[in-house]
Amino acid sequence: KAGVTQTPRYLIKTRGQQVTLSCSPISGHRSVSWYQQTPGQGLQFLFEYFSETQRNKGNFPGRFSGRQFSNSRSEMNVSTLELGDSALYLCASSLEPPRYEQYFGPGTRLTVT
Amino acid sequence: QKEVEQNSGPLSVPEGAIASLNCTYSDRVSQSFFWYRQYSGKSPELIMSIYSNGDKEDGRFTAQLNKASQYVSLLIRDSQPSDSATYLCAVNKLGGTSYGKLTFGQGTILTVHP
Repeated sequence: KAGVTQTPRYLIKTRGQQVTLSCSPISGHRSVSWYQQTPGQGLQFLFEYFSETQRNKGNFPGRFSGRQFSNSRSEMNVSTLELGDSALYLCASSLEPPRYEQYFGPGTRLTVT
Repeated sequence: QKEVEQNSGPLSVPEGAIASLNCTYSDRVSQSFFWYRQYSGKSPELIMSIYSNGDKEDGRFTAQLNKASQYVSLLIRDSQPSDSATYLCAVNKLGGTSYGKLTFGQGTILTVHP
């Protein structure tokens, strides 16, 4: 099976702009979770989608949003970018509970200047 | 107190030795436990999952879980230089507001020297 794919792999944006990141889960996986990874904060949970519904959200401002499509592909959007949004954004997919083994994509490296 | 804590490291072991990585968690309702390996510049790779008390072995890796002590560990036998990476401990509380959320420790950097 193909793994989780994310596009684009690298992005450079300026403050105030917005960005959309895309994630395609492993075939058959319906749950998609998003994480932000920074050297200072480590891996932090952003949100999770299942069957096009956001079931859980982490402690991030409303500038961070996402959605999931009927084919389980997911996008996340960050509006009004700040310098502190520079990070590696990771998505992970998993089968339905109770197995929560999550498999990560390669990530999108976002740099905000 | 952080929800998931790992020994800070870095941990350096000689090739062929056993590397022992430790993780404690604070929430007793945690149900699922995972170890991920992350090479520099790469994304985390799942190497072990464990759900019940005891040991689980997979090749050179053994995960150990003790829910009473809220402790999970990873042993790597016959360590190889290719095992040099950051190891991340992650826990999940099934259901409710924990859907799809893994809580990660800060990671332990392991270096295996020839």
